[in-house]
Amino acid sequence: GAGVSQSPSNKVTEKGKDVELRCDPISGHTALYWYRQSLGQGLEFLIYFQGNSAPDKSGLPSDRFSAERTGGSVSTLTIQRTQQEDSAVYLCASSSQPAFFDEQYFGPGTRLTVT
Amino acid sequence: AQSVTQPDIHITVSEGASLELRCNYSYGATPYLFWYVQSPGQGLQLLLKYFSGDTLVQGIKGFEAEFKRSQSSFNLRKPSVHWSDAAEYFCAVGGSSSASKIIFGSGTRLSIRP
Repeated sequence: GAGVSQSPSNKVTEKGKDVELRCDPISGHTALYWYRQSLGQGLEFLIYFQGNSAPDKSGLPSDRFSAERTGGSVSTLTIQRTQQEDSAVYLCASSSQPAFFDEQYFGPGTRLTVT
Repeated sequence: AQSVTQPDIHITVSEGASLELRCNYSYGATPYLFWYVQSPGQGLQLLLKYFSGDTLVQGIKGFEAEFKRSQSSFNLRKPSVHWSDAAEYFCAVGGSSSASKIIFGSGTRLSIRP
């Protein structure tokens, strides 16, 4: 079946603009995660959804970052007033259960470049 | 707070040689431990995981890892590496105190010498 998909694959934006990143999880997966991977860094947890609710938003770096999930499926990560330090690869993952019970399946990522 | 340390940023081994990638974790209770691999141009893939039971776990692609509680380690091993093993490897830890997230290490980049 289809894996996790993310769009766009690449996004170049000017500093100060807003961007939206989309994640389509594996069908039936109730848990969805967003991570950020900066150059030479590990994965930084951003936010987790169980269904449409986000019990853990602790990783969002500032109030410029927000995310939503609708219909227990697609999720959108929005970054307002982008800054150069937001440049990174944004990864989405889904799992059928909370992470420590099940494998996370990762999408290919969206590479965001803020100029 | 839980944390993961991968002390080796970059390792180069010869094809056919054995491999060990180090991972140390900090966690107050029994951790849930994972190794993921990120090949060039591809997404992250789970190699193996440890939840409980036998401390030596087998994964895909011939990899194995051993959980050593006394050393707070979960090192990844492979007896004989192949050129296709060149990738970035991430160790991760999770646990019941935070059901929502897994903390990843900063990764170890593996290069294979022909």
